[in-house]
Order: sequence, then C-alpha cells, then structure tokens
Amino acid sequence: GAVVSQHPSRVICKSGTSVKIECRSLDFQATTMFWYRQFPKQSLMLMATSNEGSKATYEQGVEKDKFLINHASLTLSTLTVTSAHPEDSSFYICSARQGGDYGYTFGSGTRLTVV
Amino acid sequence: GNSVTQMEGPVTLSEEAFLTINCTYTATGYPSLFWYVQYPGEGLQLLLKATKADDKGSNKGFEATYRKETTSFHLEKGSVQVSDSAVYFCALSPTYGQNFVFGPGTRLSVLP
Repeated sequence: GAVVSQHPSRVICKSGTSVKIECRSLDFQATTMFWYRQFPKQSLMLMATSNEGSKATYEQGVEKDKFLINHASLTLSTLTVTSAHPEDSSFYICSARQGGDYGYTFGSGTRLTVV
Repeated sequence: GNSVTQMEGPVTLSEEAFLTINCTYTATGYPSLFWYVQYPGEGLQLLLKATKADDKGSNKGFEATYRKETTSFHLEKGSVQVSDSAVYFCALSPTYGQNFVFGPGTRLSVLP
C-alpha cells in the first residue's frame, strides 16, 4: 500500500531557531500534499496545501512567512518552521494524495517542542 | 460551510462492550465520509470510508453507514478490545481532490 514517511518524528529546538520537517511519498508520486497541525486533545487543522512545482496555498490565519512549504519534487514536501517559539510547539502531520479512489495517506507525524 | 461534529469524549468502555461514536456533518454537495484512527504516538490511519449515500464502510469489525437524510456517519463496533483504545476522527472530503475537514476527535479507552 501507499506509504508516506515523515521525519523527524520528534524534534526539540531552541526558541528562535528553524526546524525543517520532511514528508515523502515512498511508493507513489504525489502532486498534492497537505500539512496539518494538531493541538493537544484537539483535531487536525489544515495549515496549507502543497503543490508540486508551485506555491503552497495557505489557510486563513496561517503565517506563510513563518511556515515555509516547499514541494520541489513529486515525492517530497517540506515544512520549515522559521524562528520557532514555544507556541509553535505542536504535532504536525502531512498527507499525500495518491490519486484514484481517495488515496490519501497520512504520515506518522512530527512532534515539535520549542524550548 | 463544511463542518463535522462528533460526540465528545472521552469514552470509556469495558472489553467486549458495544461501541457507538456519533458523527454528523454539514456540507454542500455530496461529500465523501471517513473515519480515521490515531493510536497513541502515531499518525492517522484510515479506518473506513463511504463515498455515497447508503454506503456502508467496514473494517476490523467497525462499521459506519452514510445517512444522507440525517447527515450522519456513526461509527459502531459490536465488541471492542483493549487494542481499540485510540482517538477516532470523523472527516469529510467535500469533492474529489479536495482536502479533509475533521471532527474534533473522540478518545476511546477500553478497559480489560
């Protein structure tokens, strides 16, 4: 089946630094990937839609200069949290659409802790 | 707009009990409906789905029927196990190729 690999699974960084999270589709090409954020005990909130070869589409209220998304190939999208602050601490999950009958696959998520 | 409402948890059951997690939705058009499960420390896994009215999705003993008349997609399982302890998310996808709208999730704890 379709597999989406997300790395790192956990990261702790200092306030003010930047962190890059990778989302890879391992056995299929994904023209579209999605980035979600999950606050503790809350649901997933879509942050942005990442399109291969073009700019990402951000949801209302998401700072695009803070959450940089790059989808440079059909198998890789990256989310960079720039100048991270403690309030950016969260669980970030990506998903990729394989195509056909709703072939969405989620990554295992990245828990970011900013200290 | 599109939205998903789930029963609030946490839900605590004894092993072999019957499970129902209610889910209702609001959407324009004819969305597809999904249940996702998140085990502790892991990402989301698709549990089941239904793409049109009256469809029944089923997997691992879980079932949910797409009810257009009541705009519902309730999740049921006849006999839960400790290993079913997780957070369950109801979600809809408005049209093909668009992203998901998730419900708030329902935490299920099954006690031995």
